[in-house]
Amino acid sequence: GAVVSQHPSWVICKSGTSVKIECRSLDFQATTMFWYRQFPKQSLMLMATSNEGSKATYEQGVEKDKFLINHASLTLSTLTVTSAHPEDSSFYICSARSGFGATEAFFGQGTRLTVV
Amino acid sequence: GENVEQHPSTLSVQEGDSAVIKCTYSDSASNYFPWYKQELGKRPQLIIDIRSNVGEKKDQRIAVTLNKTAKHFSLHITETQPEDSAVYFCAATSYNNAGNMLTFGGGTRLMVKP
Repeated sequence: GAVVSQHPSWVICKSGTSVKIECRSLDFQATTMFWYRQFPKQSLMLMATSNEGSKATYEQGVEKDKFLINHASLTLSTLTVTSAHPEDSSFYICSARSGFGATEAFFGQGTRLTVV
Repeated sequence: GENVEQHPSTLSVQEGDSAVIKCTYSDSASNYFPWYKQELGKRPQLIIDIRSNVGEKKDQRIAVTLNKTAKHFSLHITETQPEDSAVYFCAATSYNNAGNMLTFGGGTRLMVKP
């Protein structure tokens, strides 16, 4: 299957600071990338969908000004958690698909964010 | 939007027994149903998927069945092994302005006792 690389795999930051997470498709062009958040022992909750070159579509309840998503190229999407708070601590996972109509999604390895 | 329900939330079986996980979905337009296995702290791994034009699909010890009329699909694992222990998620496609997306079930923690 296709490879999606996510970095960093873990990060610890202080409250009030911002953290950027990168998601790269290594061997295919990802027209669409998805960002999920997963709390311990819970399912993956979709935060936003981004298409290359356009604004991200955020799910209800997700603050777009707090979770900034940029999908400037066909191989890179970034999620920036701004002014992080301890309640933002979670496992963030990106996934990518190759085409608008493609159904199979490939996941990055996830980023464990801890805000202290 | 799509709503995916998954049961049971935990499942404990003896090695060699079968395990069955069931999911229901709400959006009749959904046409793609993948199953993922996630080990602790790792990414979900696709283990099998089924599309709406097929009623059953099998890959070695894993099989998935789909009943479009009833809007439910199931994962069957036969001859379970300790390495099958993980959290399993079902998913169904749904659609937003950005195209199709996956909605996940709540997950099933499978424990296979040696």
